[in-house]
Amino acid sequence: DGGITQSPKYLFRKEGQNVTLSCEQNLNHDAMYWYRQDPGQGLRLIYYSQIVNDFQKGDIAEGYSVSREKKESFPLTVTSAQKNPTAFYLCASSIGEGVSYNEQFFGPGTRLTVL
Amino acid sequence: GQSLEQPSEVTAVEGAIVQINCTYQTSGFYGLSWYQQHDGGAPTFLSYNALDGLEETGRFSSFLSRSDSYGYLLLQELQMKDSASYFCAVLTTDSWGKLQFGAGTQVVVTP
Repeated sequence: DGGITQSPKYLFRKEGQNVTLSCEQNLNHDAMYWYRQDPGQGLRLIYYSQIVNDFQKGDIAEGYSVSREKKESFPLTVTSAQKNPTAFYLCASSIGEGVSYNEQFFGPGTRLTVL
Repeated sequence: GQSLEQPSEVTAVEGAIVQINCTYQTSGFYGLSWYQQHDGGAPTFLSYNALDGLEETGRFSSFLSRSDSYGYLLLQELQMKDSASYFCAVLTTDSWGKLQFGAGTQVVVTP
């Protein structure tokens, strides 16, 4: 079955530690995205990538880093510089051309809690 | 900058019709999308409008008026499983390749 996987579902970390969230897709999509969602809030874009080895900052990139070395994978690192990292993190992908950018497919999300 | 406005919450009874409005202020507007998210789950794509008019997909329909910078999602024959958050999102040529999401509307369906 094609889809997007994120692991782990729940993650706990101590303050000051970097943590990397995994996102893998087997949909053969070119574009991938990372969003942050806080309780009762909408989706805020952290980083996105339209093609391998290229990515752009979204609206709230500070304190986060990404890489896109393979088409299937787009890991997100939450660094210790992120002031308030506790949140629900969602990874998404889209085919990556024309009107298809309107339709994004989301993974199940990772709920990060920093203690 | 870009902004999207939608109501924070709507409550309705089973079998009723609900309309969720979305007004946007953007430059380079290309299309308006709608997503559904159940509590604790992942958003799923519902519909997309690039041209004026109504798009129907089963019990859900989406409408767009580009001249009014306005769209809505219509949920008909409401069911309990429709209780969820609904987000509008815009795609613009100014920010090609990424969506700007609204804050979401929580729909509560009561028996």
